[in-house]
Amino acid sequence: EDQVTQSPEALRLQEGESSSLNCSYTVSGLRGLFWYRQDPGKGPEFLFTLYSAGEEKEKERLKATLTKKESFLHITAPKPEDSATYLCAAIQGAQKLVFGQGTRLTINP
Amino acid sequence: DAGVTQSPTHLIKTRGQQVTLRCSPKSGHDTVSWYQQALGQGPQFIFQYYEEEERQRGNFPDRFSGHQFPNYSSELNVNALLLGDSALYLCASSGGTGYTEAFFGQGTRLTVV
Repeated sequence: EDQVTQSPEALRLQEGESSSLNCSYTVSGLRGLFWYRQDPGKGPEFLFTLYSAGEEKEKERLKATLTKKESFLHITAPKPEDSATYLCAAIQGAQKLVFGQGTRLTINP
Repeated sequence: DAGVTQSPTHLIKTRGQQVTLRCSPKSGHDTVSWYQQALGQGPQFIFQYYEEEERQRGNFPDRFSGHQFPNYSSELNVNALLLGDSALYLCASSGGTGYTEAFFGQGTRLTVV
């Protein structure tokens, strides 16, 4: 069964405390992986696309990496405005995204 | 660029009624996908439209149907609403040749009472 699992489900950090979020996947016909940020009651905001193992993408305090079985979203020196739910989605074929359940990140000032 | 726009933003319906949700894709995108997101969960794929046809469908009953218009905008219709259909409905737009990016609208919050 196609599955994307994110861990931890929730993470609470102090401002400036770096950490990583994990996304592991078993998806047939995998073509790549997206990362999104979602604020409460809003649609997901596109962050990164990763296609092949070893690939890395960076944006401000976020860096996404990809291996053959999992992806990591590293957050360096986070700020309270980085608080959100982070979603990863496996790209299956040309048509479908398979999402994890998300990691709810809270950054305390 | 207005990005992906969805309407309405909020909707309250009674069990058994029918609802239509609308989506306009990002400029330059010709593919529209619909997702259902229950509270605290990741989005679940409903179906995708390309060239006015349903290209792929997820595990949703036939009560869920859709349409794509020549200008690439799309509608999601849900018949015989159930309480369990209460969710955030998201529209995503992308290029038809395959995923390099997929942008979501702000969603429609549907509440069935």
